[in-house]
Amino acid sequence: DVKVTQSSRYLVKRTGEKVFLECVQDMDHENMFWYRQDPGLGLRLIYFSYDVKMKEKGDIPEGYSVSREKKERFSLILESASTNQTSMYLCASSLYRGGYTFGSGTRLTVV
Amino acid sequence: QKEVEQNSGPLSVPEGAIASLNCTYSDRGSQSFFWYRQYSGKSPELIMFIYSNGDKEDGRFTAQLNKASQYVSLLIRDSQPSDSATYLCAVKVLSQGNLIFGKGTKLSVKP
Repeated sequence: DVKVTQSSRYLVKRTGEKVFLECVQDMDHENMFWYRQDPGLGLRLIYFSYDVKMKEKGDIPEGYSVSREKKERFSLILESASTNQTSMYLCASSLYRGGYTFGSGTRLTVV
Repeated sequence: QKEVEQNSGPLSVPEGAIASLNCTYSDRGSQSFFWYRQYSGKSPELIMFIYSNGDKEDGRFTAQLNKASQYVSLLIRDSQPSDSATYLCAVKVLSQGNLIFGKGTKLSVKP
């Protein structure tokens, strides 16, 4: 089975901090995605990547950036964390025609 | 704007009954359809996918697709309390690599 590993299950950060969320997948998938999930708003796509060093903006990229230096790793960066970025962050990977496999999620609280 | 619509619920069914979850989508270019189950506090888990019109069965789960009506459904037979979760419908459009998610239907199976 494909495994998608997110480095932290829970994080608490202070306003203004630079935050790194790491995601690693072990099945050579081309595509990787970062979502945030909030009650009533569903899953919202932040950024995605189809290949190494390639990135595309999703629906809500403001305040975020990403890095994909290796095929298996996709990092989400909050440049200056704010309280409205408190959320559940979900990483996923897929082959082009397939469905996603999600990581276990990182619940980020910004205080 | 490509959209996927689901009734938010909650949908409440007695144990042993059939639960019927419905989803409509707006883009006729949609080619692949997925159902995810998400337990509270956990990440989504893929339970079914369907590509062609008709029914696809896997154990107690049946996915139904009608491309003419732009409608996909998930039936859960012999519902169990452990099926209580939020079910997310997701659609892949030919021109895009990412999935478009509905906001989910919360299912509650009462013992």
